Amino acid sequence: DAGVIQSPRHEVTEMGQEVTLRCKPISGHNSLFWYRQTMMRGLELLIYFNNNVPIDDSGMPEDRFSAKMPNASFSTLKIQPSEPRDSAVYFCASIPTGGGRNEQFFGPGTRLTVL
Amino acid sequence: DAKTTQPPSMDCAEGRAANLPCNHSTISGNEYVYWYRQIHSQGPQYIIHGLKNNETNEMASLIITEDRKSSTLILPHATLRDTAVYYCIVRSANFGNEKLTFGTGTRLTIIP
Repeated sequence: DAGVIQSPRHEVTEMGQEVTLRCKPISGHNSLFWYRQTMMRGLELLIYFNNNVPIDDSGMPEDRFSAKMPNASFSTLKIQPSEPRDSAVYFCASIPTGGGRNEQFFGPGTRLTVL
Repeated sequence: DAKTTQPPSMDCAEGRAANLPCNHSTISGNEYVYWYRQIHSQGPQYIIHGLKNNETNEMASLIITEDRKSSTLILPHATLRDTAVYYCIVRSANFGNEKLTFGTGTRLTIIP
């Protein structure tokens, strides 16, 4: 299994531009999580989905952030417009359906730099 | 709200056992203790979890006190590749509520 796949791995953009981060969870996993990591705030949960439905989006910082999961194999995190303070590493994680939901499998992350 | 307390950093000699403590004095009856680690520039990696009994797997052992207010993660024979930030997390056992709240963790450095 290829594990959780995130793209792009690195993104550099200018303030005001739209940014879209992508995540492909492990096949057979029905829960997906988006995290953001910065030096100041550490690793924080932004949103998570169960069966493609957003369950908790209380960590989404503001309306500039939106996340979708149109199907079980794909999710996007969009920032529009982006700001320099959005610079961070964004991780996606998934856990399997049914039993064995104890381990979250994390992707390699997308390092976002907003100039 | 921090639910766990860990020392910010620790050193351990290569080949020795690394013992990482965690306090979780407000843990509730339906919450598990989880440990993850994050090696530099990588995504966090699951290590082990437990409810009240001690647990062991191929990576580590988890010792939970009888009152469940603290725990210790043990890496029996630390190697240089175990240098990482280790996070102790309490998480609900409820199905559909598997979100993780990461604290600041312990930065473990294995010394050659």
